[in-house]
Amino acid sequence: GAGVSQSPRYKVAKRGQDVALRCDPISGHVSLFWYQQALGQGPEFLTYFQNEAQLDKSGLPSDRFFAERPEGSVSTLKIQRTQQEDSAVYLCASSLAGSGRALHGELFFGEGSRLTVL
Amino acid sequence: AQRVTQPEKLLSVFKGAPVELKCNYSYSGSPELFWYVQYSRQRLQLLLRHISRESIKGFTADLNKGETSFHLKKPFAQEEDSAMYYCALSLLGETSGSRLTFGEGTQLTVNP
Repeated sequence: GAGVSQSPRYKVAKRGQDVALRCDPISGHVSLFWYQQALGQGPEFLTYFQNEAQLDKSGLPSDRFFAERPEGSVSTLKIQRTQQEDSAVYLCASSLAGSGRALHGELFFGEGSRLTVL
Repeated sequence: AQRVTQPEKLLSVFKGAPVELKCNYSYSGSPELFWYVQYSRQRLQLLLRHISRESIKGFTADLNKGETSFHLKKPFAQEEDSAMYYCALSLLGETSGSRLTFGEGTQLTVNP
């Protein structure tokens, strides 16, 4: 399909392991967002890319979290030395629009990657 | 800092009854408000946005700046409306694109 694709859908990690979560946005979408959704909570912003530039990473909870989008398309969210509190669904969303007052395009979400840290 | 509050985690109504999902926000700037919906086993998707002033699937939402609210309403609920609903706020004029701040969500169940 032409939607946002995320992999893996499910990941179980032992505490201390590193994980990498992948997001394939809709082709041509300029903006890409990562959100973290804990059980029973709404999605919380992690970071934002406009093309390959990471314009906002203020939501990353610690320096163990790192995101990249080197060619302005696929993005990877990496979590180093995972902790139990990292267990959540990680949502990726993309938008055709970029930054700017006049550009608030609809966000298209992936199905999410559910991370469980034991 | 911006904040979105959805006071009801769970809401249950009967088919054909009116439904209102409450949303209040706090933000000092000029907000753009949205409702996103997640049906069972589906991804999060946009339902409607205040700036469009549209009705989607019979739902409407009016932005009330005086009360800082953006409640979602439907006069006659249908069973297929059962889903998780999230109110979200976007920061107009920021450099963070369409970054959204979400509420905690309301699980709506429409009983037959």
